[in-house]
Amino acid sequence: QVQLVESGGGLVKAGGSLRLSCAASGFTFTNYYMGWVRQAPGKGLEWVSYISHRDPTTYYTDSVKGRFTISRDNAKNSLYLQMNSLRTEDTAVFYCVRVDGDYGYWGQGTLVTVSS
Amino acid sequence: DVVMTQSPLSLPVTLGQPASISCRSSQSLVHRDGNTYLIWFQQRPGQSPRRLIYRVSRRDSGVPDRFSGSGSGTDFTLKISRVEAEDVGVYYCMQGTQWPQTFGQGTKVEF
Repeated sequence: QVQLVESGGGLVKAGGSLRLSCAASGFTFTNYYMGWVRQAPGKGLEWVSYISHRDPTTYYTDSVKGRFTISRDNAKNSLYLQMNSLRTEDTAVFYCVRVDGDYGYWGQGTLVTVSS
Repeated sequence: DVVMTQSPLSLPVTLGQPASISCRSSQSLVHRDGNTYLIWFQQRPGQSPRRLIYRVSRRDSGVPDRFSGSGSGTDFTLKISRVEAEDVGVYYCMQGTQWPQTFGQGTKVEF
């Protein structure tokens, strides 16, 4: 069955960096775009970034452009999110999501806390 | 970007009674392939989002049949025929038709 397992979250000071990883299994990874959705404490869901399956087409929400970089390693069935220059407002649970028309597969989330 | 507007944002409910959430999009969600990629998620307190409904009205496996989705074009509805205690949480609509995907603000269902 499809599994998406995130890791790499934690506590970091403002201005610092973190790299999130998502290990995918149970489907042909190279057939799908992949993405990250975040949810700040007590807030709604927000698309952060997504990446195409082969050519490096990427999307970033405006608030993370220039600070976050999404990438993937198709040989390892893995998705990454490099987060630099973190701000307190980036504090959120980050979910790895398989991007298809129906969005049925999400990871359990990893918490990123940015302190001042 | 497509703006998704949910109403109400807070929905007091009564056990055994029906409930309904509206979701409107700023543009038609009919994809060029003919499908309408409108999805409903449920998020219970402390849990990850769980998909309930996709392509407007297709219910996921294991989702009780008291949940139903309907609508077309830009106007969509999630209905709970008889609310049960386990239905408390926040419900989000999301469109997967146009890039970037966008969510509604969420509707909090509570007793």
